[in-house]
Amino acid sequence: KQEVTQIPAALSVPEGENLVLNCSFTDSAIYNLQWFRQDPGKGLTSLLLIQSSQREQTSGRLNASLDKSSGRSTLYIAASQPGDSATYLCAVYNTNAGKSTFGDGTTLTVKP
Amino acid sequence: DVKVTQSSRYLVKRTGEKVFLECVQDMDHENMFWYRQDPGLGLRLIYFSYDVKMKEKGDIPEGYSVSREKKERFSLILESASTNQTSMYLCASSKVVIGELFFGEGSRLTVL
Repeated sequence: KQEVTQIPAALSVPEGENLVLNCSFTDSAIYNLQWFRQDPGKGLTSLLLIQSSQREQTSGRLNASLDKSSGRSTLYIAASQPGDSATYLCAVYNTNAGKSTFGDGTTLTVKP
Repeated sequence: DVKVTQSSRYLVKRTGEKVFLECVQDMDHENMFWYRQDPGLGLRLIYFSYDVKMKEKGDIPEGYSVSREKKERFSLILESASTNQTSMYLCASSKVVIGELFFGEGSRLTVL
């Protein structure tokens, strides 16, 4: 059974800092990995999707990397802003399970 | 942009009531999903559908049913609501089963 872990559960940084969020998974037979952002009381907003054949994806100040062999993905946020404050979740799609498994998320607070 | 719309953002129901949660997507996606999200338990898949009139059980289907009469609409039904079904319900869609997931804004259900 796939297990997805996101450590730390919470992170607080000053504005302008570059930061890395981590996502680990136990079963490397994944088809893709997706990063989401969730604001309090809202749904999930898709940030980046990385296919299993890819090593990284970039969108603006966000860069996500994938290392299937070690079961890890990182989300790099450059020059963080208070508006980046949210919970960030990762989800992996397993070919054998036929579904996505979500991590519990990292809650990021960017202080002005 | 993909738009997934959940008709009710907040609902308060009584124990034993029948509850309908509606979800509509506007991008001709084949696949639609219902999740619930609870603190400490993360996102859990209730049901999904990969085609009109087709449905598959997820991890926690007990106490729920679904309906997909049209491609764009996927309904979650609580036949007899119970207090342990108080939760945030999230609908999602994807073009292909292994594709990028797009979520709605969520429906916060409270069962008294």
